[in-house]
Amino acid sequence: NAGVTQTPKFQVLKTGQSMTLQCAQDMNHNSMYWYRQDPGMGLRLIYYSASEGTTDKGEVPNGYNVSRLNKREFSLRLESAAPSQTSVYFCASSVGQSSGNTIYFGEGSWLTVV
Amino acid sequence: QKEVEQDPGPLSVPEGAIVSLNCTYSNSAFQYFMWYRQYSRKGPELLMYTYSSGNKEDGRFTAQVDKSSKYISLFIRDSQPSDSATYLCAIASWTGGGNKLTFGTGTQLKVEL
Repeated sequence: NAGVTQTPKFQVLKTGQSMTLQCAQDMNHNSMYWYRQDPGMGLRLIYYSASEGTTDKGEVPNGYNVSRLNKREFSLRLESAAPSQTSVYFCASSVGQSSGNTIYFGEGSWLTVV
Repeated sequence: QKEVEQDPGPLSVPEGAIVSLNCTYSNSAFQYFMWYRQYSRKGPELLMYTYSSGNKEDGRFTAQVDKSSKYISLFIRDSQPSDSATYLCAIASWTGGGNKLTFGTGTQLKVEL
């Protein structure tokens, strides 16, 4: 049981380049999330998808776009990468958006923008 | 002021010690309280979850919530080197439009032999 799978695990980008982080879950969860984790800042929500076909902005959406391709997959795109987007990105999923639903995280994607 | 405050540590203890990890929060609307453990270069994994004031035990771990003081704690008994990780508190409120989860910055714990 893979849970939440993210690719790539490591990536170095030049400023202005674009890339897409891929995420897939095999738990039949309805809701999916993208977080970034920075030292001293904790985990911050970038975008989430409460259910297939919907996406909404989180706390720090600027510079990112997302696509909920189907129930399993939720991708995060950086159109023009900036050094401020150097971070660790985590995809996560939960059964739903109801109160108390446990959120399960992937292993993380380390992104460096130079 | 952050909605959730957590001492970043690092906290170093000898094997077998009792560890106390704490968070404070400011929003009384928070209803659900979680502790995640994150090993180096891994994603966070859920350790404990509770929604009421009081204590909840799971093996060597006890989660404590004091809603009147807006204070939550995680106690680890008989700590082991394998407990060395970063511990994140996470607090959720039901906003009607969805579950808003706010994380603390994490406390780094090292349990030494």
